[in-house]
Amino acid sequence: DAGVIQSPRHEVTEMGQEVTLRCKPISGHNSLFWYRQTMMRGLELLIYFNNNVPIDDSGMPEDRFSAKMPNASFSTLKIQPSEPRDSAVYFCASSLRGQGGLGETQYFGPGTRLLVL
Amino acid sequence: AQSVTQPDIHITVSEGASLELRCNYSYGATPYLFWYVQSPGQGLQLLLKYFSGDTLVQGIKGFEAEFKRSQSSFNLRKPSVHWSDAAEYFCAVGNNAGNMLTFGGGTRLMVKP
Repeated sequence: DAGVIQSPRHEVTEMGQEVTLRCKPISGHNSLFWYRQTMMRGLELLIYFNNNVPIDDSGMPEDRFSAKMPNASFSTLKIQPSEPRDSAVYFCASSLRGQGGLGETQYFGPGTRLLVL
Repeated sequence: AQSVTQPDIHITVSEGASLELRCNYSYGATPYLFWYVQSPGQGLQLLLKYFSGDTLVQGIKGFEAEFKRSQSSFNLRKPSVHWSDAAEYFCAVGNNAGNMLTFGGGTRLMVKP
């Protein structure tokens, strides 16, 4: 089975440009998460979707960041305009929620390494 | 608010030696606890998880972890480390549904031949 797929794997852009990161969750999963990993702040949850609906976006840094999930098999994280401090590895993860409250296992994609010059 | 502390940023062990990685958490209710491993340039892979029941949890690759409520700890152990275990290890605590994860800062493990 294919795992979580993220594209691109690497992105280099200039400050001020728009950046779009893409994620395809595992088929059948109904929860999707976007994380950011930096040396300074570690792994942070940015936003969480359940059944394509954003449930918690309290981790989104500011209005320059937006995320969408138009259907169960695709999500995007957009940064506009990008800044050098956005340089990080962005991970997407998916899980299957609703297993009788037994908790979920999140499966992570390989990440997108973003460098904003 | 939930939080996780991994006191050791780096640990070096010899191949074949035993390993213990420390994790302390803060959470108001019964926690959902996870250990993930990240190899260089890769995503995170789940090693094991604790939701309830037996406090000693077995995971993949020969790892185990013990939940100690009195110490708010969930330490990861392996009796004999292999060179392929060199990676970064993350402990995480989840909310009551186990989905909103808060990660610790990670422990980078190096294995000496």
